[in-house]
Amino acid sequence: SAVISQKPSRDICQRGTSLTIQCQVDSQVTMMFWYRQQPGQSLTLIATANQGSEATYESGFVIDKFPISRPNLTFSTLTVSNMSPEDSSIYLCSTDVLGARGAFFGQGTRLTVV
Amino acid sequence: AQRVTQPEKLLSVFKGAPVELKCNYSYSGSPELFWYVQYSRQRLQLLLRHISRESIKGFTADLNKGETSFHLKKPFAQEEDSAMYYCAARGGSRLTFGEGTQLTVNP
Repeated sequence: SAVISQKPSRDICQRGTSLTIQCQVDSQVTMMFWYRQQPGQSLTLIATANQGSEATYESGFVIDKFPISRPNLTFSTLTVSNMSPEDSSIYLCSTDVLGARGAFFGQGTRLTVV
Repeated sequence: AQRVTQPEKLLSVFKGAPVELKCNYSYSGSPELFWYVQYSRQRLQLLLRHISRESIKGFTADLNKGETSFHLKKPFAQEEDSAMYYCAARGGSRLTFGEGTQLTVNP
């Protein structure tokens, strides 16, 4: 299993600013994933972060808006840039530990943009 | 395109009644199917996956490839089963989630 710590747990931000969300895993993992969950909707994959390479973004998400860092095998950050109210969502970090039964998730970051 | 569909956003049953949460998928190849659960104020966590053919907290799910379904069932629902349930499919490393079903078990 893996324990994932995500912070901040919530934040209220002004439009036009940026927020960086941190995700720490208690073991080394190859892949880390960032999801967005908009109000009343399901989880949507933003990007996959591999250590030592550029993140792979899903359709509709771009690096300029959601830059991702993956400096080592236990840590990743997601930045939500130039925020607007439409970015108000829960952002989740996830990983899939090799041999594990399934993906593990952080507790999420609830972002409100005003 | 890969797609997971949960037709019911809300499902309400009484304690002791059977419950079935529906999930259909549209996926190329042979995806791995999962059910995830999120209890109030807790993080999303894995409930079960089709490969294991397991029963967790009394829940089972059978993969029906002909109908491309992976419905979650429990013969006797308990109040503590009240939660948000997500069906998910994985092809490669990518998980695709359904929209979720909010299950409420009434006393």
